[in-house]
Amino acid sequence: DSGVTQTPKHLITATGQRVTLRCSPRSGDLSVYWYQQSLDQGLQFLIQYYNGEERAKGNILERFSAQQFPDLHSELNLSSLELGDSALYFCASSATGGTPGEQYFGPGTRLTVT
Amino acid sequence: GENVEQHPSTLSVQEGDSAVIKCTYSDSASNYFPWYKQELGKGPQLIIDIRSNVGEKKDQRIAVTLNKTAKHFSLHITETQPEDSAVYFCAASLSYSGAGSYQLTFGKGTKLSVIP
Repeated sequence: DSGVTQTPKHLITATGQRVTLRCSPRSGDLSVYWYQQSLDQGLQFLIQYYNGEERAKGNILERFSAQQFPDLHSELNLSSLELGDSALYFCASSATGGTPGEQYFGPGTRLTVT
Repeated sequence: GENVEQHPSTLSVQEGDSAVIKCTYSDSASNYFPWYKQELGKGPQLIIDIRSNVGEKKDQRIAVTLNKTAKHFSLHITETQPEDSAVYFCAASLSYSGAGSYQLTFGKGTKLSVIP
């Protein structure tokens, strides 16, 4: 158990809908990273937050957004969902934001768009 | 941006044999190289990492080597056991000066099967 929690575990929704994925980092970790894992694209970095502020953006679509709250949990919002958004979504947390540090992954949320 | 290539994509070994997975990266500024193990239905689990100022690191049956000149790093698993069967990912971290961000770029993964 990495100490990172994600809810829900599974999510099934229809095209055009909006969903919110939630992540709680390990106790004391200030950074949260979101990743998307699909069979064809592998594990891709989406976005990072550090202590409530956005730090870096990767391959995140404009339909997707995220935020980190004062209690350090984070939410990833996916809107206008398309079939191609079906994937596993992971969050990871790390203690650091300014030096390379270990990232610990949660169990993921499996999103299915029908 | 960074690009990480990982080989092989699948690897089958007999129990007790060694397994080697290799990765190359493109950006010479990358300075942190973790390896993750992902079992079916679970999130990636950090198993070992190495930083650019070190050439080799060992942890029991697992070792990682880094060749910065050639821009490649490898994972070595000795005395493999059935529970080592999983997908293994390498990654490289490129820091963004001034931003304090260390996003990981992952290889495509290697499915390791250890045959009893």
